[in-house]
Amino acid sequence: EAGVTQFPSHSVIEKGQTVTLRCDPISGHDNLYWYRRVMGKEIKFLLHFVKESKQDESGMPNNRFLAERTGGTYSTLKVQPAELEDSGVYFCASSPRDLSFGSGTQLSVL
Amino acid sequence: DQQVKQNSPSLSVQEGRISILNCDYTNSMFDYFLWYKKYPAEGPTFLISISSIKDKNEDGRFTVFLNKSAKHLSLHIVPSQPGDSAVYFCAASPLMDSSYKLIFGSGTRLLVRP
Repeated sequence: EAGVTQFPSHSVIEKGQTVTLRCDPISGHDNLYWYRRVMGKEIKFLLHFVKESKQDESGMPNNRFLAERTGGTYSTLKVQPAELEDSGVYFCASSPRDLSFGSGTQLSVL
Repeated sequence: DQQVKQNSPSLSVQEGRISILNCDYTNSMFDYFLWYKKYPAEGPTFLISISSIKDKNEDGRFTVFLNKSAKHLSLHIVPSQPGDSAVYFCAASPLMDSSYKLIFGSGTRLLVRP
């Protein structure tokens, strides 16, 4: 069984640019989550999809972040425009129950 | 305000000895607790969990203890092996929360010395 896959693994962009992260969950997992770890701190919840619907987006930092999950399959997380404080590792996870995480996207905003 | 705290950022243990990683939480609504292990450049992987109806759960070399009155849990690894060297995250969730949103601690980096 293929695990949760995230693209790209690394992204380096300048402040003000746009970046789109992609997550392909484990096939058949209706629940998809985005988390972020900034500067070696705790891993923080961003949002939760159930199929294509946003179940909980209480962790999204502000309206520069937009997540979509068209058709209930893969998900994208767009940051526009990116700011310095958006740097960190963005993890995607999927589950029927206990979360399976992808290896993350390391985002560096310069 | 962090609801899940791992106050030790790092821990170093000799191979073969016991590793004890600690975690405290503040939200009494948390009913389900998990430990995740993370190697560099990889995502966290599920290690072991415990629900509030238990005070201990064991899986091979890994045992998690839960003290609800103290809002404290710990992960014991016995015997510790060099391959256990990783960052360990404690996480918590209210079982009744249908979104199953996990709240993580900041992690403890474990180094097992050969």
